[in-house]
Amino acid sequence: GAVVSQHPSWVICKSGTSVKIECRSLDFQATTMFWYRQFPKQSLMLMATSNEGSKATYEQGVEKDKFLINHASLTLSTLTVTSAHPEDSSFYICRAQVSSYEQYFGPGTRLTVT
Amino acid sequence: TQLLEQSPQFLSIQEGENLTVYCNSSSVFSSLQWYRQEPGEGPVLLVTVVTGGEVKKLKRLTFQFGDARKDSSLHITAAQPGDTGLYLCAGARNNNDMRFGAGTRLTVKP
Repeated sequence: GAVVSQHPSWVICKSGTSVKIECRSLDFQATTMFWYRQFPKQSLMLMATSNEGSKATYEQGVEKDKFLINHASLTLSTLTVTSAHPEDSSFYICRAQVSSYEQYFGPGTRLTVT
Repeated sequence: TQLLEQSPQFLSIQEGENLTVYCNSSSVFSSLQWYRQEPGEGPVLLVTVVTGGEVKKLKRLTFQFGDARKDSSLHITAAQPGDTGLYLCAGARNNNDMRFGAGTRLTVKP
């Protein structure tokens, strides 16, 4: 089946630094990629939607200058958390969409900001 | 306010019992999906339902999409410890707009 990878799977960084998370579709091209954030014992909250070659669309309340999304190709999207703070610690998950009925989640990246 | 309301939020049962999880909304969805997520992993798709009134079975799991395409249920028969996890419903209103419910955390005790 289709596979989506995320790198790194977990990362610890110091407050004030930036962290880049990669989401790759390994054996298919994704027209659209989505980024979610999930806090412990909570559901997934959509952060932004990105289409290859265009600017990401951010959900209300998500700072686009803090969470930079780049979707340079049909197989790669990156999320950069800039000037990270402890409250940014969370589980970040990407979803790669082939069509409205075919989409796959990545395994997630656990970010801990100290 | 969640677009999709899931209930119950938590459920702890003994192995062998049956259970039903509900996903309700005031919005109509073009499709609805159920996922299961284990700690530290991404959600895994269980099923997609697209037709009002549709019923799909996956071994001991039965999924139903409401006639009006606003609600769905997941029924598990003879639950096993391996069924333990976070169950999420997600509704799609158009090609890209997919929203998740808050999830139901199921624990099946041996």
